[in-house]
Amino acid sequence: EVELVESGGGLVQPGGSLRLSCAASGFTVSSSYMSWVRQAPGKGLEWVSVIYSGGSTYYADSMKGRFIISRDNSKNTLYLQMNSLRDDDTAVYSCARRMITSHAFDMWGQGTLVTVSS
Amino acid sequence: QSALTQPASVSGSPGQSITISCTGTSSDVGGYNYVSWYQHHPGKAPKLMIYDVKTRPSGVSNRFSGSKSGNTASLTISGLQAEDEADYHCSSYTSSNTLVFGTGTKVTVL
Repeated sequence: EVELVESGGGLVQPGGSLRLSCAASGFTVSSSYMSWVRQAPGKGLEWVSVIYSGGSTYYADSMKGRFIISRDNSKNTLYLQMNSLRDDDTAVYSCARRMITSHAFDMWGQGTLVTVSS
Repeated sequence: QSALTQPASVSGSPGQSITISCTGTSSDVGGYNYVSWYQHHPGKAPKLMIYDVKTRPSGVSNRFSGSKSGNTASLTISGLQAEDEADYHCSSYTSSNTLVFGTGTKVTVL
């Protein structure tokens, strides 16, 4: 079965760090285009970052310099290292697989909640 | 990158058709045929309904259709059913090699 399962969310203080994980099954993360997408409470979806199969990475402007997307091919797992967290980073973070031939996500995880608060 | 603009809510009676708009700029919606639509029931993973403006993935009902004119894309749901009640989000590729989502639309079946 093809599946994405996120973990690592929780409560963190402003200025703190957190690393999210996204374990994939049924396909190979290293051969795929993988993204993180978040949804703040009461808001729409917001694209966070992408890592291509070749290793190139891109970030939304508000995350550039603070977040790092990476993967562990041996564990078939995607990561998001989040540093210098702010209150407005509070959201459900989901990983998603992007189609190779289009800029659309054909598979999503259910997400993990990150709460930034003192 | 500003979010694409969607109406906050759209409603319709069972059997009716509704259309959700998604307005961007020439740097995203208007510049590329990479508009996608997602159905999202709260607490569940979003589901891809339309990609590349008007292409339906296998298994998606043909009651869902997409189109684009200029900087505005649209999702039409025909023969509205109770199960269609959900949040709908559009997205577009951008000239910055990033993605931008819409503000989201809550669809209510009356």
